[in-house]
Amino acid sequence: GALVYQYPRRTICKSGTSMRMECQAVGFQATSVAWYRQSPQKTFELIALSTVNSAIKYEQNFTQEKFPISHPNLSFSSMTVLNAYLEDRGLYLCGARDLGAAETLYFGSGTRLTVL
Amino acid sequence: GDQVEQSPSALSLHEGTGSALRCNFTTTMRAVQWFRKNSRGSLINLFYLASGTKENGRLKSAFDSKERYSTLHIRDAQLEDSGTYFCAAEDGSSGNKLIFGIGTLLSVKP
Repeated sequence: GALVYQYPRRTICKSGTSMRMECQAVGFQATSVAWYRQSPQKTFELIALSTVNSAIKYEQNFTQEKFPISHPNLSFSSMTVLNAYLEDRGLYLCGARDLGAAETLYFGSGTRLTVL
Repeated sequence: GDQVEQSPSALSLHEGTGSALRCNFTTTMRAVQWFRKNSRGSLINLFYLASGTKENGRLKSAFDSKERYSTLHIRDAQLEDSGTYFCAAEDGSSGNKLIFGIGTLLSVKP
């Protein structure tokens, strides 16, 4: 079956430092990867949508300079939170799908970021 | 305003009873997914619908794009059904991005 592995599950970083999270798609081709953040007391908010052979599209309030994303092949994507501050804490999720096959978006288990 | 309005925000059920969650959309959506967030924080896929209804065990979901809503019905609720349920609608005009509802915290009690 289709699975998305996301790691690390939890991470703590000092204010002003950076952290990277990764997603691995298993059992399908991740032609499209979406990164979301759930901040405390909020719902999931799209950060950016990455489609193979297309430019990564960032949502309003999110930039490549702050959240650089790599999607080098059909099974892997990573996102870095640069210069993290308190407002960046929350649960980060990657969701992947094969646009040419099943429509369902499969999510990883998330990376919970705590900023000290 | 929010494009996906999910209700209720919290729901308490006794074991064996049922209820429905609902998401209203302010625009025409191409598809909807329903998820349950488990105790470890993972989003578990429940349904993907581009139209009509689907049923899986004690869960049933419906999506009406024209009327701009989707529902998730739970019958014969069990303790393990407790958790937070999210609907997420796909806005086809925005590159297949999913817009999430605020979530419904379901508590099933003995």
